[in-house]
Amino acid sequence: SQQGEEDPQALSIQEGENATMNCSYKTSINNLQWYRQNSGRGLVHLILIRSNEREKHSGRLRVTLDTSKKSSSLLITASRAADTASYFCATALNYGQNFVFGPGTRLSVLP
Amino acid sequence: AAGVIQSPRHLIKEKRETATLKCYPIPRHDTVYWYQQGPGQDPQFLISFYEKMQSDKGSIPDRFSAQQFSDYHSELNMSSLELGDSALYFCASSFDRGRTTEAFFGQGTRLTVV
Repeated sequence: SQQGEEDPQALSIQEGENATMNCSYKTSINNLQWYRQNSGRGLVHLILIRSNEREKHSGRLRVTLDTSKKSSSLLITASRAADTASYFCATALNYGQNFVFGPGTRLSVLP
Repeated sequence: AAGVIQSPRHLIKEKRETATLKCYPIPRHDTVYWYQQGPGQDPQFLISFYEKMQSDKGSIPDRFSAQQFSDYHSELNMSSLELGDSALYFCASSFDRGRTTEAFFGQGTRLTVV
């Protein structure tokens, strides 16, 4: 079964708006990472948050982690058309183990 | 900065043929992961290596094998190819099994089996 589940599956917003994507997982994790993927292209690492962290910022990105609810959210502020992509969360159960990806959220930012 | 290099970027093979995908991790990274992403699907973990030894195994078919060499590059060998093997294959690398660093992905190899 999926470890990570993204919500929503698809999101369409206007340029300048904020986009929030959520990810839930089932078991305890060591860390959670968010990736972006443009259509048919490689996975670009966005941000890593460790299990002992609650919030992390990187430019227009803000990630939160709630280990009690086993969920994480990715907020993109002031979205741009170039942010159009699929966003995946990936969890690592323990270091040395593989990353488990959720199904991804397809974000469309309309100009 | 150097990234994860995968070759080839595109590969077309016929059914029942063999394919070899190569991955060159970021310098000083000792951990390599392989993922398969079918059309419209999320990446699925295949196999990983740490310090040239298999570290973890996922949904890798018996027809596939992989190894990590002394220079830390890795190769994924795929035999008796099937149409369903058509996918994007990603390699990722990290240091010390991702204990202190994130994993970085290559651009992927798009395999098409015809």
